[in-house]
Amino acid sequence: AQKITQTQPGMFVQEKEAVTLDCTYDTSDQSYGLFWYKQPSSGEMIFLIYQGSYDEQNATEGRYSLNFQKARKSANLVISASQLGDSAMYFCAMREDGNNRLAFGKGNQVVVIP
Amino acid sequence: GAGVSQSPSNKVTEKGKDVELRCDPISGHTALYWYRQSLGQGLEFLIYFQGNSAPDKSGLPSDRFSAERTGGSVSTLTIQRTQQEDSAVYLCASSQVRGSHNEQFFGPGTRLTVL
Repeated sequence: AQKITQTQPGMFVQEKEAVTLDCTYDTSDQSYGLFWYKQPSSGEMIFLIYQGSYDEQNATEGRYSLNFQKARKSANLVISASQLGDSAMYFCAMREDGNNRLAFGKGNQVVVIP
Repeated sequence: GAGVSQSPSNKVTEKGKDVELRCDPISGHTALYWYRQSLGQGLEFLIYFQGNSAPDKSGLPSDRFSAERTGGSVSTLTIQRTQQEDSAVYLCASSQVRGSHNEQFFGPGTRLTVL
């Protein structure tokens, strides 16, 4: 069964605008962690932000914030004030308790246009 | 400091040949992971090493795939009798197991093409 679902088609975003990338997950664990990674065309995977299942506040890292809705099992990434360098694939991932591997979604393609 | 490094960056091989992919994790990181990313897809977990514990091999797709980690540092992923469906980018990551969220740091990957 797919643990991470990212279903949005490729997105075009105007520079300086905000964009929200959807991620839903499936787990029966109470303790887990959610991650977002960015993969530009160069191929490297860049860690962006982390949300723990017991964290009461939504995570923020600079222009990145995570809209965590535990009851709905969603962990959407919000990128504010988009920049041309934000053009990339974005992957949502989950690590379940007692398991160090990451389960990744299929990714969201974002293209920022000037 | 140095990040995760992988070699070679690109590998083209003929079907049926064996290949070895190398990963140098970040110094001091005790956990090392291998993932595979096929074209246009997310990452698929292959294998995980943690210290001296037995590795978690549950993601290896067939017995043609194996990996070892020597001295708790460098790791080699070996694919025997390569098939065309093995063509993918192989990504290595490392992390400190202790920490608030054990963020995994990824290497640049090895792009494997099997002709």
